[in-house]
Amino acid sequence: DVVMTQSPLSLPVTLGQPASISCRSSQSLVDSDGSTYLTWFQQRPGQSPRRLIYNVYKRDSGVPDRFSGSGSGTDFTLKISRVEAEDAGVYFCMQGTYWPRTFGQGTKVEIK
Amino acid sequence: QVQLVQSGAEVRNPGASVKVSCKASGYTFTSYYVHWVRQTPGQGLDWMGIVYPTTGKTEYAQKFRGKITMTRDTSTSTVYMELSSLTFEDTALYFCARGPFDSWGQGTLVTVSS
Repeated sequence: DVVMTQSPLSLPVTLGQPASISCRSSQSLVDSDGSTYLTWFQQRPGQSPRRLIYNVYKRDSGVPDRFSGSGSGTDFTLKISRVEAEDAGVYFCMQGTYWPRTFGQGTKVEIK
Repeated sequence: QVQLVQSGAEVRNPGASVKVSCKASGYTFTSYYVHWVRQTPGQGLDWMGIVYPTTGKTEYAQKFRGKITMTRDTSTSTVYMELSSLTFEDTALYFCARGPFDSWGQGTLVTVSS
């Protein structure tokens, strides 16, 4: 199975400051169709995961533009340009190129 | 709007089985496969398997084979996930999610307790 490794696992951030989460895969996520299936989710306390970003950088409808995704191959990043209080929660990356789908361990973003 | 509504929390004894449902609405049920994902505090998110509503075909993660059975009922736009031979380690929150993971159910807590 493809192993997804996130860092850091805990990220205290001051309101209004940027935040960055790294996600690395144990093998390239470039599919045979040329696409890269890397997805980011946000999970607020007591809620289901919510998809934020898919195919590395495509933002879902309704997701604030302070969230951005980047990367290629095995190395990916989720950035929040200016953290707001509502961004507190756990963020997961997931690869959708191989079966079984696999998730990162999660990064807990807490507001200082 | 797209919605996946899961059945309520369950408590079972070790060795028993449990069946969780996930009712879809707001889209054409047969147009998207449905995943099941397990969440535990220590283990994070675990992809369990997938069911294709059109054919009923299933694919299970290796670690869950022999443990889970996924089915669907196209007449009610509902998918089911049954866990058998429950152990304490099966205590978790179980989610269904639509194909591209763009919509998730609210989660069903399954507690295994003697």
